[in-house]
Amino acid sequence: QVQLVQSGAEVKKPGSSVKVSCKASGGTFSSYAISWVRQAPGQGLEWMGRIIPILGIANYAQKFQGRVTITADKSTSTAYMELSSLRSEDTAVYYCAREEPRDAFDIWGQGTMVTVSS
Amino acid sequence: QSVLTQPPSASGTPGQRVTISCSGSSSNIGSNYVYWYQQLPGTAPKLLIYRNNQRPSGVPDRFSGSKSGTSASLAISGLRSEDEADYYCAAWDDSLSGLLFGGGTKLTVL
Repeated sequence: QVQLVQSGAEVKKPGSSVKVSCKASGGTFSSYAISWVRQAPGQGLEWMGRIIPILGIANYAQKFQGRVTITADKSTSTAYMELSSLRSEDTAVYYCAREEPRDAFDIWGQGTMVTVSS
Repeated sequence: QSVLTQPPSASGTPGQRVTISCSGSSSNIGSNYVYWYQQLPGTAPKLLIYRNNQRPSGVPDRFSGSKSGTSASLAISGLRSEDEADYYCAAWDDSLSGLLFGGGTKLTVL
């Protein structure tokens, strides 16, 4: 059974960037997409964007356009989410999730805590 | 403010049936499938219902989903203490070309 294993917690300064990884363990991405979802402390879920690794095509939520870049390395079955120009409001747990394209998120990573603080 | 509207809280006693609503619009729920995710405290979300009313393998049949027009509902029957969690509805939005989540509903089992 495929698992998504994310990189560890990060502490970043305002204005810097963070790059979180998400590796498919026990399988490959196949034809699935990988979406990124974040959750600020005590808040709800927010979709950031996704990539279809086999096609290399990414699309982003309007809120994050220009500030987020989602990439994937098919050879290692690893997806990446890079968020730039960090501010305190970006402090959140960031999740990757396997997505049947434009369908359900059936497998989730364990989450990566990103703290933005001076 | 989420485009998909859920009540912030719901509650019930063990054995009861509770429902959680999710209201959207023609560009999301009205024209696409609805999904429900359960998030237990301190854990990642888990897929509970997909394509309006389908349960993934391993999800008890106490959980059921329905959709009508631009609204959807999650019903939990035979409520159990382990059902205490946050529940989120989600749907793809054609206007935004992205996925929307509801604001979430915190379910308390009294």
